[in-house]
Amino acid sequence: QKEVEQDPGPLSVPEGAIVSLNCTYSNSAFQYFMWYRQYSRKGPELLMYTYSSGNKEDGRFTAQVDKSSKYISLFIRDSQPSDSATYLCAVKGGSEKLVFGKGTKLTVNP
Amino acid sequence: ETGVTQSPTHLIKTRGQQVTLRCSSQSGHNTVSWYQQALGQGPQFIFQYYREEENGRGNFPPRFSGLQFPNYSSELNVNALELDDSALYLCASSPGLAQRTEAFFGQGTRLTVV
Repeated sequence: QKEVEQDPGPLSVPEGAIVSLNCTYSNSAFQYFMWYRQYSRKGPELLMYTYSSGNKEDGRFTAQVDKSSKYISLFIRDSQPSDSATYLCAVKGGSEKLVFGKGTKLTVNP
Repeated sequence: ETGVTQSPTHLIKTRGQQVTLRCSSQSGHNTVSWYQQALGQGPQFIFQYYREEENGRGNFPPRFSGLQFPNYSSELNVNALELDDSALYLCASSPGLAQRTEAFFGQGTRLTVV
């Protein structure tokens, strides 16, 4: 079983749609949860960072963590074509490394 | 922009050759981690350096080695290149070792081995 599972998509939505991206993880030692956005041929950009169960909101983005289910989500409201990118979930805990999912490729169509 | 810079942005090497990739960490950050991202995959942890010492290593062979300098910049060296080493190599810097510190990535170096 992989430490972090993420559906690679691709996911295609119309502009203005609500997007839901999800990951599951297997190790309860993971205590810190991140979402990165990666545009084509660029490095990952940190979008959201949280370390507790519940919701964290930043503008159009909401990160949700459910530690009991080992499930993390990212919601994007009023999606824009500029949101088209690959979204990577990452977890950390018990060691120095970030463990990433495979990434979900999102396309928002005008 | 994160303030983490990597060089070169891309390069092509022949199988069996050696390569050195460079990373300048964000100002105030003393910890640098290196990741390998194959096409269509998430980044995989190679190793981390903290104050010039290796502080953890992922499942990569010894031909992957690194250095960190007193100014906290870092190098990743790969010997005896193999075709499967073709990937985007990412450097991430953070302000310390605490678990809850955030990591900020550079734009990466795209290595192609032919």
